[in-house]
Amino acid sequence: TQLLEQSPQFLSIQEGENLTVYCNSSSVFSSLQWYRQEPGEGPVLLVTVVTGGEVKKLKRLTFQFGDARKDSSLHITAAQTGDTGLYLCAGDSGNNNDMRFGAGTRLTVKP
Amino acid sequence: NAGVTQTPKFQVLKTGQSMTLQCAQDMNHNSMYWYRQDPGMGLRLIYYSASEGTTDKGEVPNGYNVSRLNKREFSLRLESAAPSQTSVYFCASSELGAEAFFGQGTRLTVV
Repeated sequence: TQLLEQSPQFLSIQEGENLTVYCNSSSVFSSLQWYRQEPGEGPVLLVTVVTGGEVKKLKRLTFQFGDARKDSSLHITAAQTGDTGLYLCAGDSGNNNDMRFGAGTRLTVKP
Repeated sequence: NAGVTQTPKFQVLKTGQSMTLQCAQDMNHNSMYWYRQDPGMGLRLIYYSASEGTTDKGEVPNGYNVSRLNKREFSLRLESAAPSQTSVYFCASSELGAEAFFGQGTRLTVV
């Protein structure tokens, strides 16, 4: 059982559509991070959310941290083909800095 | 700007052979991690090191050992490789709660 559950596992949409992906846990996190990974590369950080209820925007990407700091969502507006990739959420389980990842959402944006 | 450097990038082993994956970071980070990534499983933490001189088990430590040689270097050793260890291995480093920086990955095949 993963500490962080991500949904959906796969998502295929047309360019221009909006989408939301989720990261859920039964544990409370001091912070959650979202990463994007492209084939053959390591993950790269998109954002860190720290405060319960926090909303952060990064151009067309909007990240929200749940009030209870157990879940987070990533919303993409008007998706582009360049958004294609694996989106991963990560958090510190609270045990001495062992950072755990969810299984990821593999997003494909078709032209 | 080297960041996190992993070697080798590709490796094929026979069952029962041993090998060490090397990782070095030049960002003066205290924390270093080893993950494996398998299809549909996201990144699973093998071992981590919160600071020089300390190492701890992650989610899937069986069959692996690690050494935090100094602040820069964190190696992962497979003493007797098994086909179940076929995976892509990523090393990462960070400061507590901050962005994790990843290497390019090592694609390991055990036959």
